[in-house]
Amino acid sequence: AQSVAQPEDQVNVAEGNPLTVKCTYSVSGNPYLFWYVQYPNRGLQFLLKYITGDNLVKGSYGFEAEFNKSQTSFHLKKPSALVSDSALYFCAVRDVGNYGQNFVFGPGTRLSVLP
Amino acid sequence: EAGVAQSPRYKIIEKRQSVAFWCNPISGHATLYWYQQILGQGPKLLIQFQNNGVVDDSQLPKDRFSAERLKGVDSTLKIQPAKLEDSAVYLCASSATGIRNEKLFFGSGTQLSVL
Repeated sequence: AQSVAQPEDQVNVAEGNPLTVKCTYSVSGNPYLFWYVQYPNRGLQFLLKYITGDNLVKGSYGFEAEFNKSQTSFHLKKPSALVSDSALYFCAVRDVGNYGQNFVFGPGTRLSVLP
Repeated sequence: EAGVAQSPRYKIIEKRQSVAFWCNPISGHATLYWYQQILGQGPKLLIQFQNNGVVDDSQLPKDRFSAERLKGVDSTLKIQPAKLEDSAVYLCASSATGIRNEKLFFGSGTQLSVL
């Protein structure tokens, strides 16, 4: 069975500082990994994904994520946080080898960027 | 392009009543998903359609929940009778067919309160 853990319920960072939102996963085969962001009263929006290739993936709004197979992690990063980045962030995984299998989402991490 | 449309935006009902949610996916997207997002948790898949066929409904409480996508386009999710624990945001998402077309597009959701 596949699963996703986001060990931090809340991450606080000052505007202009780098931010990291952590994600670890478990799948039986190779993973497809995703990050989504949810603003208040909105649906989830896609940020970036890792399928294969370069371990550093660049996405929307200046975000990037690093895939680490040995640590089964896919942490979301941004070099300089903005107040507007404050939102709920979800990591999700799917097993590459099983197309019929659905995505599994983590519990979410609330990011607060303080001015 | 138009996004995933959902209605209603909010719904308040009493327990044991019935309720229905509607979703119109992005044009041309063959795959449609219904997710349940309970406050403080990540989205949990209820049902996945490929065109008008069900791919995965393993987590759908079939004694009270039903869903259909008769013409392979829009979809309806119904709860009858509702329980207090059904209070959640119900998200509809769609994606294009194809192994690499894994990006999910989400609607804004329907917030259900069961009193």
